[in-house]
Amino acid sequence: AQSVTQLGSHVSVSEGALVLLRCNYSSSVPPYLFWYVQYPNQGLQLLLKYTSAATLVKGINGFEAEFKKSETSFHLTKPSAHMSDAAEYFCAVSDGGGYQKVTFGTGTKLQVIP
Amino acid sequence: NAGVTQTPKFQVLKTGQSMTLQCAQDMNHNSMYWYRQDPGMGLRLIYYSASEGTTDKGEVPNGYNVSRLNKREFSLRLESAAPSQTSVYFCASSEAGGHQPQHFGDGTRLSIL
Repeated sequence: AQSVTQLGSHVSVSEGALVLLRCNYSSSVPPYLFWYVQYPNQGLQLLLKYTSAATLVKGINGFEAEFKKSETSFHLTKPSAHMSDAAEYFCAVSDGGGYQKVTFGTGTKLQVIP
Repeated sequence: NAGVTQTPKFQVLKTGQSMTLQCAQDMNHNSMYWYRQDPGMGLRLIYYSASEGTTDKGEVPNGYNVSRLNKREFSLRLESAAPSQTSVYFCASSEAGGHQPQHFGDGTRLSIL
């Protein structure tokens, strides 16, 4: 069975500081991995996805994530936080068996302090 | 281009009442999904539809039914609402052959008293 663990339900960073949101996955097969962002009172937006091509994946809004098989991790980073980055972020994993097989993490709320 | 549209945005029901949540997408996507989001639990798949005319159960289908009315519309019905179904419901869609839901609606916030 596949699963994801997001470390830290709440993360606070200062504006301009590095953003690091942690995600570790478990999968019996090479996984597909995704990060989504959810702004208040909105649905999820796909930030980026890893589908076995380049291990460093660049997404929208300056975010990127690196797939590390040895660490079973797919952490999300952004060099410099902006106030508009305040949102909840979800990591998700799929075993490639189809879009209905995506498993979501429990989310990390990012607070950006001015 | 509206994307994925859900109605209503908010609803309060009494236990035992029924209601239908509506979802429509204008991106000509084949696949559509219904999720529920509960605090500390992420999103859980209720039902999905790979294409017009087909529907399948997801992780938490009990107490729900769905209808894929046509390619655009995918509705979720609660026949006899229970307090455990208080949640935020999201509809999503994606292109054929994709690996993940691509576009989400803004959700329906449902409270059952």
